[in-house]
Amino acid sequence: DGGITQSPKYLFRKEGQNVTLSCEQNLNHDAMYWYRQDPGQGLRLIYYSQIVNDFQKGDIAEGYSVSREKKESFPLTVTSAQKNPTAFYLCASSIATRQLRTFFGQGTRLTVV
Amino acid sequence: SQQGEEDPQALSIQEGENATMNCSYKTSINNLQWYRQNSGRGLVHLILIRSNEREKHSGRLRVTLDTSKKSSSLLITASRAADTASYFCATRDDKIIFGKGTRLHILP
Repeated sequence: DGGITQSPKYLFRKEGQNVTLSCEQNLNHDAMYWYRQDPGQGLRLIYYSQIVNDFQKGDIAEGYSVSREKKESFPLTVTSAQKNPTAFYLCASSIATRQLRTFFGQGTRLTVV
Repeated sequence: SQQGEEDPQALSIQEGENATMNCSYKTSINNLQWYRQNSGRGLVHLILIRSNEREKHSGRLRVTLDTSKKSSSLLITASRAADTASYFCATRDDKIIFGKGTRLHILP
């Protein structure tokens, strides 16, 4: 099946640790995105990438890092510098940044313990 | 910086009734999209309306767009329990910008 796969679905992290969230797509999409969603809130853009080896900061990039070494993969690292990392993280992709439909993964719920 | 703002924030209606949600945005757009999110899941694309369109239908969904007022509405007719979800409007340039969503609850 084509689509976007996020893993793991649930993730627990101790304070002060970095953690990496995986996002893989087999849709041959150029653009990929990471969003953060807090309870009862909308989606806020963390980082996005229009093409391999290129990415841009979104509205809340502080405390996060990404890489785009392969077209199908866009991992997000939540660093210890992120003061309030507990949230639901969503990865998305589209054919190109100005294209129409965007596809989402099922999300990773990160909890800091 | 959020582009879309949905209204109302929450809506509860009886099954079978129609549900209407509104979205306002700030800048000029090429298109506007509506998405649905079931609790704890990813977003699912529902419908897209281009800036040169005024109304679009898809099954029980009807979307309108008024570019002069920078607003859009999503109408779900004959609501069902399975329609219980959060609904977001989104606009895009190089990145997709979502509103905070409308939480729709269908009462049995």
